Amino acid sequence: QKEVEQNSGPLSVPEGAIASLNCTYSDRGSQSFFWYRQYSGKSPELIMSIYSNGDKEDGRFTAQLNKASQYVSLLIRDSQPSDSATYLCAVNPGAGSYQLTFGKGTKLSVIP
Amino acid sequence: DGGITQSPKYLFRKEGQNVTLSCEQNLNHDAMYWYRQDPGQGLRLIYYSQIVNDFQKGDIAEGYSVSREKKESFPLTVTSAQKNPTAFYLCASSTQDGFNEKLFFGSGTQLSVL
Repeated sequence: QKEVEQNSGPLSVPEGAIASLNCTYSDRGSQSFFWYRQYSGKSPELIMSIYSNGDKEDGRFTAQLNKASQYVSLLIRDSQPSDSATYLCAVNPGAGSYQLTFGKGTKLSVIP
Repeated sequence: DGGITQSPKYLFRKEGQNVTLSCEQNLNHDAMYWYRQDPGQGLRLIYYSQIVNDFQKGDIAEGYSVSREKKESFPLTVTSAQKNPTAFYLCASSTQDGFNEKLFFGSGTQLSVL
């Protein structure tokens, strides 16, 4: 059973701080990793993808991947109240697979 | 604008009734998916389709059925056999780029039981 684990939160951070969201996965052969943001009652929106070990930065967002530790994280710098949402980690087990496995999500609250 | 359109936004089902959720995309994507989301839970895959006239069961296909007669359309029927249908249903599509592919979601349908 392929599993993706996230701390459900809620994670509360003050405005302007760095929010750190973590995700672990069980399938060592997993190839690609995604972070989706989901506002309450809305559909998920892709914000980051990462495929190789290391950091990937996009604006205020940085995704970090460590395949040896089976760990992927999302850092949000200068957190804003508009970042308050649930963040879903999703893992693709390998090339040719079309079944993403999603974690249950971490709810982030940015306090003004 | 390209995108994925789901309808209706809200749907109510009576006991013993089948209901159909619509999903249409104009992104020219080959693959389409249906996910179910329960409160506080991640997304669980119901069915997916990689090409027209072909589809595969996901993790929780029991009580659901789909069709893929056109590339643009992938409707989901929630049958009376699904005893706990209340959930948020999400349709998605993707190009088939192997492990690089990304999912794009519709706006969702909230299904409730009367």
